[in-house]
Amino acid sequence: GQQLNQSPQSMFIQEGEDVSMNCTSSSIFNTWLWYKQDPGEGPVLLIALYKAGELTSNGRLTAQFGITRKDSFLNISASIPSDVGIYFCAGQFLSGGYQKVTFGTGTKLQVIP
Amino acid sequence: KAGVTQTPRYLIKTRGQQVTLSCSPISGHRSVSWYQQTPGQGLQFLFEYFSETQRNKGNFPGRFSGRQFSNSRSEMNVSTLELGDSALYLCASSKGLAGGDTQYFGPGTRLTVL
Repeated sequence: GQQLNQSPQSMFIQEGEDVSMNCTSSSIFNTWLWYKQDPGEGPVLLIALYKAGELTSNGRLTAQFGITRKDSFLNISASIPSDVGIYFCAGQFLSGGYQKVTFGTGTKLQVIP
Repeated sequence: KAGVTQTPRYLIKTRGQQVTLSCSPISGHRSVSWYQQTPGQGLQFLFEYFSETQRNKGNFPGRFSGRQFSNSRSEMNVSTLELGDSALYLCASSKGLAGGDTQYFGPGTRLTVL
């Protein structure tokens, strides 16, 4: 099946620093999604990428769809305390005539004020 | 546009009982997927329903079942609860189309089994 490797698993950073996390796979995806989950809540969609090479920003967040279609990264610039949470990547692929989705294991981000 | 809603938000049950969780998708979305999330386990896919039919299933025992109604609302049932079933249960809705689809999550139901 489609497997996603998300790294790092967790990170502690100082407020104001930039953050980078990524997901890689041996399989090809046609869509990459990045979600953020706050404790006790459901994941919230941050960025969706639909084309290889696409680079998309959402405020301080920037994500890219790798040109090989097997990877994606998410950057957060000038981190602030409310960036704390778990970030998930998700890859979608077409199977059996509809989209299936695979999730990464998550990156837990802690921001030190 | 209202988001995905899940009820109840919190639930406490004892071993051996059964539980039913409900999910109302975003208006116009025909696909509902259910996930189990436990600390350190990430999102474990349970099943997906589209137009009242289960079209995808994860590796969970038969105690976990679901259904979808004609208005796309979905329910998930867990019978004979075990302590290990304690988790955050998330549902996500999408249009269910072949291209350009995106899943949107509800806030989850926190189930505690004592």
